[in-house]
Amino acid sequence: NAGVTQTPKFQVLKTGQSMTLQCAQDMNHNSMYWYRQDPGMGLRLIYYSASEGTTDKGEVPNGYNVSRLNKREFSLRLESAAPSQTSVYFCASSGNRDNQPQHFGDGTRLSIL
Amino acid sequence: GDSVTQMEGPVTLSEEAFLTINCTYTATGYPSLFWYVQYPGEGLQLLLKATKADDKGSNKGFEATYRKETTSFHLEKGSVQVSDSAVYFCALSPQAAGNKLTFGGGTRVLVKP
Repeated sequence: NAGVTQTPKFQVLKTGQSMTLQCAQDMNHNSMYWYRQDPGMGLRLIYYSASEGTTDKGEVPNGYNVSRLNKREFSLRLESAAPSQTSVYFCASSGNRDNQPQHFGDGTRLSIL
Repeated sequence: GDSVTQMEGPVTLSEEAFLTINCTYTATGYPSLFWYVQYPGEGLQLLLKATKADDKGSNKGFEATYRKETTSFHLEKGSVQVSDSAVYFCALSPQAAGNKLTFGGGTRVLVKP
């Protein structure tokens, strides 16, 4: 009963390093999302994918890229990490019908020094 | 653009006290409204939702009513338990925008025995 699985759970990077956060879901959902969570700001949408092969920018896409590898997997890449990208990152998935809830992973805590 | 405003925390209560967390929103048309809960070290879980005006969402003793006239979706619980200690997020999904969510900043609730 995995739901949404994110790896890694924790990571420390140096400024300028690159990294890919992995996300996989086993609920046969079409839509997948990447958010970042910062204190007092709730969750902000970075990118989303409404279906395999499509991706769109969210509210805060700068400095990130995504790949929807297949229906199950949606990865987030930081090409050149900056301290401002220190955050907790959440992946989520949902069905495509309106008002379907999003299901979240447990998050990746990323620190950039 | 769309936005969600919720009361800042932390909110500290004694067990069996009444809990209210205020949430107001700005959006065009008729968005769907949600409350999510985040327990320590975990991702967000859907708590309840309402998809049209005057709908009442309820779950685990929590309730919230979609008030179009006041653009509000306040969360209430009559008698909280220590296990209700968590961060609560109000969110909206704009009309005809798939299932993308806009979140409020979150309210931390601490229930003491």
